Amino acid sequence: DAGVIQSPRHEVTEMGQEVTLRCKPISGHNSLFWYRQTMMRGLELLIYFNNNVPIDDSGMPEDRFSAKMPNASFSTLKIQPSEPRDSAVYFCASSGTVGKGYGYTFGSGTRLTVV
Amino acid sequence: QKEVEQDPGPLSVPEGAIVSLNCTYSNSAFQYFMWYRQYSRKGPELLMYTYSSGNKEDGRFTAQVDKSSKYISLFIRDSQPSDSATYLCAMSGMDSNYQLIWGAGTKLIIKP
Repeated sequence: DAGVIQSPRHEVTEMGQEVTLRCKPISGHNSLFWYRQTMMRGLELLIYFNNNVPIDDSGMPEDRFSAKMPNASFSTLKIQPSEPRDSAVYFCASSGTVGKGYGYTFGSGTRLTVV
Repeated sequence: QKEVEQDPGPLSVPEGAIVSLNCTYSNSAFQYFMWYRQYSRKGPELLMYTYSSGNKEDGRFTAQVDKSSKYISLFIRDSQPSDSATYLCAMSGMDSNYQLIWGAGTKLIIKP
């Protein structure tokens, strides 16, 4: 099992540009999560999908952020337009245990720098 | 006041020492308690999971939950340099138990 795969690993972009982060969850996992991690705020849940349907997007900071899960094996997180305060590490995680707080498998993250 | 408090450290100990990592919390509804380990430039990985109160042991690692004191601990015996990482506690309740409430993480350094 290759685990949760995220791309790109690093992204440097200029303020105002569109950024798309990608995630491939573990096959058979039906829950997918997007997290953001910063030194100041720690890990923050942005959005939770179950069976490809967004269940909770209350953590999405503002309308500049959007996430999609067109099928069970792919999800994207898009920021448009990007701002320097969006600089963070973005993690995707998946779980095969619906609605449980344990058993998340995280990807290695995308380190985003907006200049 | 944060729902989950965790000392960010760093905590530096010599190899072979017993390490104690702790979190306190304020929400008595929490039922699931987890410890994740995060190496530099990697995502968190689940280390230990406990439901409700009690102890759980896995090799050199022991997780304890004291719900009366709202206090959880992770003990590492015979610590190794490879244990150097950031340890994050996380917890959730029954109602929306996909929503983990995370501690800030404690950076642990094991000196050879």
